[in-house]
Amino acid sequence: EAQVTQNPRYLITVTGKKLTVTCSQNMNHEYMSWYRQDPGLGLRQIYYSMNVEVTDKGDVPEGYKVSRKEKRNFPLILESPSPNQTSLYFCASSFWGEGNQPQHFGDGTRLSIL
Amino acid sequence: AQTVTQSQPEMSVQEAETVTLSCTYDTSESDYYLFWYKQPPSRQMILVIRQEAYKQQNATENRFSVNFQKAAKSFSLKISDSQLGDAAMYFCAYRSAFINDMRFGAGTRLTVKP
Repeated sequence: EAQVTQNPRYLITVTGKKLTVTCSQNMNHEYMSWYRQDPGLGLRQIYYSMNVEVTDKGDVPEGYKVSRKEKRNFPLILESPSPNQTSLYFCASSFWGEGNQPQHFGDGTRLSIL
Repeated sequence: AQTVTQSQPEMSVQEAETVTLSCTYDTSESDYYLFWYKQPPSRQMILVIRQEAYKQQNATENRFSVNFQKAAKSFSLKISDSQLGDAAMYFCAYRSAFINDMRFGAGTRLTVKP
């Protein structure tokens, strides 16, 4: 089954404790992206990657890191989480260059930073 | 930068009636793609319908159709014969044909009354 898998689905942690949210897709997609969803703001892009070892900042990259060492994986790293990073996070993937093809989304990760 | 505006934070509709959700966008590009996504309480992002900007014909998918007005930069979603399962948050999204990022509106929460 074609899917984007995010882990964990829920996480409560404390300020400053490094965390990683994993994202994996099994569709051989070149393009992967991370979004955060906040009430009244919709989804905002954090980082995206057009292929292995190619990443770029989205609209709200501050406080986040990503890496793309393998085509299928695109982890999101919060080196020193802060309460303003409490949000719902989505990973998405698609083929590159086919703009009319929808992005496939993971089921989301709810992060709470205390 | 491209922006997407959904001016209706909340809408409600009676079961079996028709409702239209509004979306406008701002872009200087001539080629792009537009999407409507549905997010039920399960928080999955589900593609409802897509529209290529170069196509004049409005897209339809069963009970869902769009009114795409390119000159006005408007992309509204019409839901006919509304069902209880249509209750969700709906996001309008814009994707450039030139850079593979996606912009989302703030969302419209649709309530369906039995």
